[in-house]
Amino acid sequence: EVQLVESGGGVVQPGGSLRLSCEVSGLTVSENFMSWVRQGPVRGLEWVSVIYSGGSTYYADSVKGRFTISRDTSKNRLFLQMDNLRADDTALYYCARDGDYGAGHYDYWGQGVLVTVSS
Amino acid sequence: IQMTQSPSSLSASVGDRVTVTCRASRSVETYLNWYQQKPGKAPKLLIYSTSTLQTGVPSRFSGSGSGTEFTLTITSLQPDDFATYYCQQSFSTPSWTFGQGTKVDIK
Repeated sequence: EVQLVESGGGVVQPGGSLRLSCEVSGLTVSENFMSWVRQGPVRGLEWVSVIYSGGSTYYADSVKGRFTISRDTSKNRLFLQMDNLRADDTALYYCARDGDYGAGHYDYWGQGVLVTVSS
Repeated sequence: IQMTQSPSSLSASVGDRVTVTCRASRSVETYLNWYQQKPGKAPKLLIYSTSTLQTGVPSRFSGSGSGTEFTLTITSLQPDDFATYYCQQSFSTPSWTFGQGTKVDIK
């Protein structure tokens, strides 16, 4: 059974940082395209970042230069380092698998972790 | 690519045929997926590549379309189907985008 479990969310002031973690079981993070997707009150569902099986990384324009996606193959975990957070980054953050061979559809999702950016 | 769903919400009864429309700002060929989301839960993949049902999804769900206009149809609405439905394009690698959602509630 595939399970994705996010952690690391919380309340942070504007300009602050958080590091999200996604513990994965039932599939190998390094062999899959793994994404972070967020769901906020204004923007709805929004793709944030992806790391390909080969290691290439991509970011939405809204987070480029502020967020960094990475993985730990020994622990089978996915991470999202979020710096210089802004109020509009407030959202529920999901890690998700981007289908077989990066097929473009998210077939496995975590339960989500809440990030609130507020002073 | 902007994705626009209509309607934003609808009320229906058990047994009704329900159709949700998704329009793309430019062609996404058939790279269009549908998700179902219930309160407090992550989205669940229903249909990918316009019309392919994800494993375990009931056959009352179907999808059609191509280019810029797509539809999700539920042929006979069941109590478990009251939820919010989202479309998502997977044409513009890697910047997948979602529609704003269509909430289906009980009439």
